[in-house]
This record gives sequence, C-alpha cells and structure tokens, in this order.
Amino acid sequence: DVQMTQSPSSLSASVGDRVTITCRASQSVSNYLNWYQQKPGKAPKLLIYASSSLQSGVPSRFSGSGSGTDFTLTISSLQPEDFATYYCQQSLSTPLTFGGGTKVEIK
Amino acid sequence: EVQVVESGGGLVQPGRSLRLSCTTSGFTFGDYTMNWVRQAPGKGLDWVAFIRSKAHGGTAEYAASVKGRFTISRDDSKSIAYLQMNSLKNEDTAVYYCTRDLNPSIWSGEPSDVWGKGTTVTVSS
Repeated sequence: DVQMTQSPSSLSASVGDRVTITCRASQSVSNYLNWYQQKPGKAPKLLIYASSSLQSGVPSRFSGSGSGTDFTLTISSLQPEDFATYYCQQSLSTPLTFGGGTKVEIK
Repeated sequence: EVQVVESGGGLVQPGRSLRLSCTTSGFTFGDYTMNWVRQAPGKGLDWVAFIRSKAHGGTAEYAASVKGRFTISRDDSKSIAYLQMNSLKNEDTAVYYCTRDLNPSIWSGEPSDVWGKGTTVTVSS
C-alpha cells in the first residue's frame, strides 16, 4: 500500500498569508495526487487533481505541484473561508489512500 | 444538478448487517465509477471500495479492512450504488460518503469530484 504523509498536521495562519502544505508518498504515484478541503460537518471538496489541475470553480489562489513522491498545496493568500482541513490522496493504485490531514487554523 | 444522496445508515449491533444506498441524479450514472469513502469520528478519510462502470467490466476493488465483509454493487437502471455491509465491527463506525469519479469511462486513477453529505453508521452493542 502507498502511505501518504502530510505535514504539518496543523498550522496557524492569518488572513493574507501564503500557506504551503506538503504531502509525501511512500513510493512514486506519478502525478496521481489529489487535494481535498473539508470543513467541519461537511463533505470533502475536490480542489486539485492530477497534482496541479485546478478543479472547476475553485479559486485560483489554490495551486498544486509535484510529481513522484513529493507534492505541495499552496494557498497564495489565505482567505477566511479557507480555514479547514486539507487532505491529499493518491489515486494511482488501490487501495486509494489519503494523508492524515492538515488543519489550517486562524492565528 | 449533479447530486448523490446516501441513505441507510443507523445504529447496528456488532456482527449484524446494513445496506447503504447512494441515489444519484443529474448525470449518466452508468458511465462512472462510484466509490464509498468513510470517516470515523474525529479521524481522517478512509477509502472503502469502488465499482467500475459496466464498460470496464463493472469490477470492484476493496480496502483490506472490509474485503470479504462488504460488497459494493450498482443498479444502472435506477442510478443507485449500494454498499452491503456484513459482520459489522465497532471500528466500522463512521460517516460513509458516496462519491463519483471525476471523469467517466476511465479504468482507474480518478479523484472524486462529487460527494454526498454522508450517512452515519454506528456499530455498538
């Protein structure tokens, strides 16, 4: 199984900050790496797929990069609605696996 | 509007069974791989199973933790996916989400772009 490790597990940031979340795979997943945002009590929402493709309707302040084993989600200017938990997921092989999540909190 | 709605959750004793349904609308259900993903209370996301479209054989894949106990199926005539859960354990307690793959008629490797609100399964005596 491919293990997905996210860092940090949580972070505090202010509105307007640039935020970077890292996801590392235990083996290469090529570019089959996706990012989701989840707010409390809500279903996850797809933000980025195939490492760097922005899902329709997602603000351009979100971006993704990486390939192989190391990936990054960047929020260029954090907005109040961005405070949430973010998960990476590899979809190259089964079992599909998620990272443990990164909770972005208000500083 | 593209929509998936889960139902069938509830409180069940260990060892018993439950069947979840995922009723969909707004897209050609038969063209898409459908997934179940769960989230235990206060925990992260955990993929459970998916079933491919009939065009790709309608085959299913399962997480090791549920293989042999859970069965995913689909009724393309009704646009519904199911998750039959047998021999339930306390650790199966979670919110169960039904999701749709981003692109139709793809063998594998797709993210989930449509998620339901989830249905809660509680396994407890």
